[in-house]
Order: sequence, then C-alpha cells, then structure tokens
Amino acid sequence: GQQVMQIPQYQHVQEGEDFTTYCNSSTTLSNIQWYKQRPGGHPVFLIQLVKSGEVKKQKRLTFQFGEAKKNSSLHITATQTTDVGTYFCAGPDYSNQFYFGTGTSLTVIP
Amino acid sequence: DSGVTQTPKHLITATGQRVTLRCSPRSGDLSVYWYQQSLDQGLQFLIQYYNGEERAKGNILERFSAQQFPDLHSELNLSSLELGDSALYFCASSVDGGWTDTQYFGPGTRLTVL
Repeated sequence: GQQVMQIPQYQHVQEGEDFTTYCNSSTTLSNIQWYKQRPGGHPVFLIQLVKSGEVKKQKRLTFQFGEAKKNSSLHITATQTTDVGTYFCAGPDYSNQFYFGTGTSLTVIP
Repeated sequence: DSGVTQTPKHLITATGQRVTLRCSPRSGDLSVYWYQQSLDQGLQFLIQYYNGEERAKGNILERFSAQQFPDLHSELNLSSLELGDSALYFCASSVDGGWTDTQYFGPGTRLTVL
C-alpha cells in the first residue's frame, strides 16, 4: 500500500550543526505538510507546500517539495535545543487519503 | 494550546470492552479528523468529518466508528478492544476540511488495553 518514508529515523546533532530530514512517498501527493511533535506533545503544523519544486523558508528552516510531488525535505540550519522533537511530513494523495511519514526524531546535544 | 480539547486524557480498559473518546474542535472549525499514533504503525489517519457528514475515511477498523454532532463535537467509538488498539488517539480540527487547510491537533487520549 501507500507509504511515506522518512530518513533518517533518528538524528543526534551538536547544537549549532545543521539537520536535514528527507521524506519519500510511494505515490504523488497533492501537497506536503510538515509537523513537529515535541516529546509528550501533539503534532503542530509548521508549513504547507503545494507546487512542485516549491521552496519555503521559515527563519532557520527550509522546506522543499520535489518536482514529481513525491518527495520533500526539511533542513534546519544551526540547530538549537528548542528544535528537539520529531518531524513528520504528511500529505493527501489524489484519492482523498491522508498520510503521515514515519518521522525523524531529532536530538540536539548542548 | 491549540484550542482543540479531548477527553479523557488517559483511559485504561480491558480487552473486549468498548470506549468512547470525545473531541471538541476549535471555535469556528467545521471539520474534525481522528488519528491513531502507535509505535508500530506510526501516525495513521482514521476518519474525517465536515459539518456532521463523513468526508474521508482512512485506515479505520470496522470495530471503530465515529460521528460528529450538530454542536460540531465528535466522538470516536472503539469496540471489542484488542491489545493492539493501545495507542495515542488524536483529534484535529480545521476550518473547512479541505486538504490544504491547517489542522490543529488536540492533546490526545492515551488508551491502554490490558
């Protein structure tokens, strides 16, 4: 069935290092959304990209949506301890189904 | 605080039992979504309602059902519970339920089936 995989599953970085998580869907998504879930918390919407090849920035975070609308990435520059959490990509396919990626858990070592 | 409320926060029950989880959306939001988060299955979309009507259905088991009431709160009913149903259940809400709408998640209900 449909799958949305993210790599890596876990990432430990020193504070100040960069971080990237990659999201790959087995089918085309109509848009891609990114969420952050802090330990013990609930998913919080970060951003949405709709057009193929779209790039959006939010301060130290850069989001990309692939040309084929099947992959995406989130890059964080100069991580801070407040960036700790699990980052999920998510999106709907064209058959009205919504999928979350497998998530990347980020640990930032001060 | 997202403005979405879920009750109860925790629920412990036995196999074979039935439980009801409740969700109140943010003020003004017409659409409600239910998700299940478990270690082995990750975050899975279960079902979506818009203004009282079912709009989209995901990986929801036949033992599970949901509804959205005229006051827009929603309930997720889980019956004939199995050990594998133990999970965190999230409700989310959005303004009009399109897939480009921002979804606001509630704090979740942690269900433990013993």
